[in-house]
Amino acid sequence: DAGITQSPRYKITETGRQVTLMCHQTWSHSYMFWYRQDLGHGLRLIYYSAAADITDKGEVPDGYVVSRSKTENFPLTLESATRSQTSVYFCASSGTSSRRETDTQYFGPGTRLTVL
Amino acid sequence: GNSVTQMEGPVTLSEEAFLTINCTYTATGYPSLFWYVQYPGEGLQLLLKATKADDKGSNKGFEATYRKETTSFHLEKGSVQVSDSAVYFCALRPGGSYIPTFGRGTSLIVHP
Repeated sequence: DAGITQSPRYKITETGRQVTLMCHQTWSHSYMFWYRQDLGHGLRLIYYSAAADITDKGEVPDGYVVSRSKTENFPLTLESATRSQTSVYFCASSGTSSRRETDTQYFGPGTRLTVL
Repeated sequence: GNSVTQMEGPVTLSEEAFLTINCTYTATGYPSLFWYVQYPGEGLQLLLKATKADDKGSNKGFEATYRKETTSFHLEKGSVQVSDSAVYFCALRPGGSYIPTFGRGTSLIVHP
């Protein structure tokens, strides 16, 4: 019962480097999301995806790129990391149901990223 | 647009005290409402939810009632424990959309 996993759990990188955060879910959920969590801002949506090969921008997409070639994976790439991208990143997934009352989000454990 | 407003924290209580965390929302149509909890060093996890007006969600002694007339979904617990110390997020999912809106979270600290 792996659920939803993220890797790495902790990452330190330098300004200007490319970094990829991985997210994998075993439920075959259609929807996947990337959030960042910062003090004073709560959770902010970066990108989301409704299915493989379908992605869209959230509230704060600048500086990030996503892809979703397989339903179970949703990697997030910081193309050229900046110090303002130091944050805790959470991946989440939710089910395929079109019934409005069932779409609970399931979150991964998070990746703590520090950009020096 | 959609929005969720939660009371600012931290909320500091003694063990066995009564807890209320206020949550109000703005949404079109008939959203589903959620409370998530985040323990230190972990991701968010669903605590309870309600999908229509007057529904009461409950779990682990926590309760919240979907009040459409006041657009509220306040979280309550009759007797908190130290282990309830966490950050609590109120959220809504609009009807017809799979994208939720989260409040900013309320930190709860329970002292022995």
